[in-house]
Amino acid sequence: QVQLQESGPGLVKPSQTLSLTCTVSGVSITSGIFFWSWIRQPAGKGLEWIGRIDTSGSANYNPSLKDRVTISLDTSMSQFSLNLTSVTAADTAVYYCAREMEVAAGYYYYMDVWGKGTTVTVSS
Amino acid sequence: DIQMTQSPSSLSASVGDRVTITCQASQDISNYLNWFQQKPGKAPKLLIYTASNLETGVPSRFSGSGSGTDFTFTISSLQPEDIATYYCQQYANLPRTFGQGTKVEIK
Repeated sequence: QVQLQESGPGLVKPSQTLSLTCTVSGVSITSGIFFWSWIRQPAGKGLEWIGRIDTSGSANYNPSLKDRVTISLDTSMSQFSLNLTSVTAADTAVYYCAREMEVAAGYYYYMDVWGKGTTVTVSS
Repeated sequence: DIQMTQSPSSLSASVGDRVTITCQASQDISNYLNWFQQKPGKAPKLLIYTASNLETGVPSRFSGSGSGTDFTFTISSLQPEDIATYYCQQYANLPRTFGQGTKVEIK
């Protein structure tokens, strides 16, 4: 079955760059109907969409993070990655990667497969 | 950004009760709305897509309805395993946005 697994440092110092990778298994990362997404959740709070990348490498970002975030795709490794620069304590959260499916020419979009999440703490 | 507002933020109900959660969008999103369930320490799980379509494998006691700006999520008969936080999420526009969540507890 399709599985996503986040990996990366659990602790990042303020002002540094948070880098996470999501490894995809059970499906081709290059399928044209998928968007590979990052979502985060501060402890005890709601879900915030960070951005996504399609199989052509075109990315969309949340404007609230746009100047700091980059999502990239490594098809040879079946991975996609998140880089978030100049982090502060406000970036402390559980980070999830997820697959967003597009069905019926965009009538349906839904995030149907999620990784288990990885906790990132920003602290000196 | 499209703002999604859920109510209530939390509720307590008895096993077997009918539970209803509402989600209001800040603008017309047609039926481009999904519902997720998140249990403590777990990733969100897709339950309902495009307002009313039940994801494969999801029990039929879960349902959704609505269009435009007003949506409803219903658990027809609350079960102990339904204890979770539920989120709506719009996909009419980017960025994708979620409601703030509704925490469902057993009375």
